Amino acid sequence: DAKTTQPTSMDCAEGRAANLPCNHSTISGNEYVYWYRQIHSQGPQYIIHGLKNNETNEMASLIITEDRKSSTLILPHATLRDTAVYYCIVRSYGQNFVFGPGTRLSVLP
Amino acid sequence: SAVISQKPSRDICQRGTSLTIQCQVDSQVTMMFWYRQQPGQSLTLIATANQGSEATYESGFVIDKFPISRPNLTFSTLTVSNMSPEDSSIYLCSVDYPQGTDTQYFGPGTRLTVL
Repeated sequence: DAKTTQPTSMDCAEGRAANLPCNHSTISGNEYVYWYRQIHSQGPQYIIHGLKNNETNEMASLIITEDRKSSTLILPHATLRDTAVYYCIVRSYGQNFVFGPGTRLSVLP
Repeated sequence: SAVISQKPSRDICQRGTSLTIQCQVDSQVTMMFWYRQQPGQSLTLIATANQGSEATYESGFVIDKFPISRPNLTFSTLTVSNMSPEDSSIYLCSVDYPQGTDTQYFGPGTRLTVL
């Protein structure tokens, strides 16, 4: 079973930051937070992952709360091409990825 | 990231037939994975395929229905056997890449419709 809770859908204006929340209140100490996205009719795309420190790469930033019970994926300047389903996954090293329903992000012009 | 290709990209098949889906990656990888995504649903792991050993199937999936081959470190096949309309799904392969980083990269998927 998925260990995360995400809103079903969100809208974001093009050019604005998209902040996607994820609750993972039962996360254990050795579990990482991963984010993937799936653009319509494509395979999921890896975005970012982290353990407890905030992480940033060329695609996004991941902010994990100090108690690690929730996190936020930030797309700093959303474009229409960022419209996708975003999956937040909690897993420890070597475990299977379990995909929940994710958040359907619509970036609006 | 690894470049992963799947063949066919889509197919329409008759019930009772079988379809073999190929997954090719441009780098050698230890672990390859097969997922199913039913219409409007999220991804479900079918099995994990390591080169040189039998695939490991998840609960609800059996080898007779979804036989998997893994002949080398860059290639795998998934066969959907004796198909029914309920097998209509997107089938995706993924690889553990880069090795040791525990991150999976996914292929583009194979969209299967069974009539």
